[in-house]
Amino acid sequence: TQTVSQSDAHVTVFEGDSVELRCNYSYGGSIYLSWYIQHHGHGLQFLLKYYSGNPVVQGVNGFEAEFSKSDSSFHLRKASVHWSDSAVYFCAVRSNTGNYKYVFGAGTRLKVIA
Amino acid sequence: GALVYQYPRRTICKSGTSMRMECQAVGFQATSVAWYRQSPQKTFELIALSTVNSAIKYEQNFTQEKFPISHPNLSFSSMTVLNAYLEDRGLYLCGAVGDNERLFFGHGTKLSVL
Repeated sequence: TQTVSQSDAHVTVFEGDSVELRCNYSYGGSIYLSWYIQHHGHGLQFLLKYYSGNPVVQGVNGFEAEFSKSDSSFHLRKASVHWSDSAVYFCAVRSNTGNYKYVFGAGTRLKVIA
Repeated sequence: GALVYQYPRRTICKSGTSMRMECQAVGFQATSVAWYRQSPQKTFELIALSTVNSAIKYEQNFTQEKFPISHPNLSFSSMTVLNAYLEDRGLYLCGAVGDNERLFFGHGTKLSVL
């Protein structure tokens, strides 16, 4: 069974703080990992992805994520958050077998206090 | 750039009636289209994955009889929610697979059922 776990349902930080949103997965084989952001009332916007190579990947708006095979993790980080980063963040995983079935985590709601 | 237009953005239908939503890929060829549903307070569930020139694969708990999908070419897909009831409400997202195997999402169709 393929699962994606985002252990924190809610994270609250102050503007300018750093933040890490956690994602752990249970998957066999080669995988493709992504993070998406959902602002209130909207669809999903792509932030970044990892498939192979450098385990630290850079995304839009200063976000980065680090893949760890040993920890089965793909945590999302930002060094200095802005109030506009307040949204729900979803980690998504799929097997890299040509089947584009993505499994999403439950989401982490990030609240940035100005 | 690659974009996915999904419409309508919002729709309200009476219980027992049907509604259709459409998804248009612009700037890339959508060889695969995935339809997801986000029910209130939940994460995204895959309804079905449609690949051009292949049969549409529905996930458990979702059927063609309830959610018929059309994917006639590399830029367009539609899905209908037949006989919608309260449990069908939520945000329906289409995701189209484009270059770099990234999944581009539309803004979603928010379905309310009276």
